[in-house]
Amino acid sequence: GQQLNQSPQSMFIQEGEDVSMNCTSSSIFNTWLWYKQDPGEGPVLLIALYKAGELTSNGRLTAQFGITRKDSFLNISASIPSDVGIYFCAGHGRDDKIIFGKGTRLHILP
Amino acid sequence: KAGVTQTPRYLIKTRGQQVTLSCSPISGHRSVSWYQQTPGQGLQFLFEYFSETQRNKGNFPGRFSGRQFSNSRSEMNVSTLELGDSALYLCASSFGRTGPAYEQYFGPGTRLTVT
Repeated sequence: GQQLNQSPQSMFIQEGEDVSMNCTSSSIFNTWLWYKQDPGEGPVLLIALYKAGELTSNGRLTAQFGITRKDSFLNISASIPSDVGIYFCAGHGRDDKIIFGKGTRLHILP
Repeated sequence: KAGVTQTPRYLIKTRGQQVTLSCSPISGHRSVSWYQQTPGQGLQFLFEYFSETQRNKGNFPGRFSGRQFSNSRSEMNVSTLELGDSALYLCASSFGRTGPAYEQYFGPGTRLTVT
């Protein structure tokens, strides 16, 4: 079945640094979604992408839908302590199912 | 506008019992999806309901079932609980099933512990 490979699995960065994470798949997706999950909460939708090549920003977050439709990346600029959490990519492909990556756990060092 | 609500938030059951979890979607949303989240497997899709009909199903055994009511509220049931069913069960709602209408908004989840 369809699978998403999300990397890196975890990141340790200094406050103020930029962050980049990505998701790749062997299958084509029609929609890419990026979520953030805080401990004890459900994932919160950050950015949704609908067209190949689309680049969308939400504050300090920027995400792009890869032109091959098989990948997407999320960048966070000038990280702050509240950026800590788990970031998930999700793709909406064939069979109308939404597939989630395993997540990137972001840690910010004091 | 109120978000997705799930009840109960925490549940402890013993092996062999059954459990019913409830989800109330965002007002106006007609699609409800359920996911199981575990540390090892991540977020795994269980099933999706739209207008009271199951539209999609993940690869889970028949012990996992669900339904949706006319007001879009949904329940999922797990029968004959196993230790491996311990997980965070998340419900997500969306307005529709295509394009931006399919943006899913998650509830806080129900933490199920099976002993």
